[in-house]
Amino acid sequence: QVQLVESGGGLVKPGGSLRLSCAASGFTFSDYYMSWIRQAPGKGLEWVSYISSSSSYTNYADSVKGRFTISRDNAKNSLYLQMNSLRAEDTAVYYCARGLMVRGLHEFAFDIWGQGTMVTVSS
Amino acid sequence: DIQMTQSPSTLSASVGDRVTITCRASQSISSWLAWYQQKPGKAPKLLIYKASSLESGVPSRFSGSGSGTEFTLTISSLQPDDFATYYCQQYPWTFGQGTKVEIK
Repeated sequence: QVQLVESGGGLVKPGGSLRLSCAASGFTFSDYYMSWIRQAPGKGLEWVSYISSSSSYTNYADSVKGRFTISRDNAKNSLYLQMNSLRAEDTAVYYCARGLMVRGLHEFAFDIWGQGTMVTVSS
Repeated sequence: DIQMTQSPSTLSASVGDRVTITCRASQSISSWLAWYQQKPGKAPKLLIYKASSLESGVPSRFSGSGSGTEFTLTISSLQPDDFATYYCQQYPWTFGQGTKVEIK
């Protein structure tokens, strides 16, 4: 079935780095835009980053620009988020999500989500 | 940046009630709006895209309307499974702050 599975979360000290991965299955990964969205404990959803199907286009929230890098490997059906210079306010559950496609057109809503991976930034 | 404001923040309702949640954009976003449902400890679930298109598999009691700056999500007859938090999203960047639908 269509599935996204995140991994790589954990406890890291402020200023540290972490790399999140998202393994996709059950669909043609290379056809879809992908995103990372996060949710701090008890808070709402915050879009983090976005990558086009061929990696030609990426975008980032201002809160992570210059610190986080999104990438993908279509041969491995995998999405990544490299997080550097981590701060306490980056503590959140990080979800990878698939961009909706309707009749071949990208809709930019997110129709498939992973279960999330927790990132805790604390000394 | 476009801001998305949802109201109310919390809504108390009973099974069978008609429920309406509003989402306002700080500037026109045409119909580039989605609605999600999230239950505690779970990932969000897409309900509506392009303001009024029902995602496949979502019950027809959910509907979306609006364009420009004002949008609504309506649940025509609230079911026990619908008690959750609902988020609007301006494609693809900005989410509203959420509306929690509680049991009255």
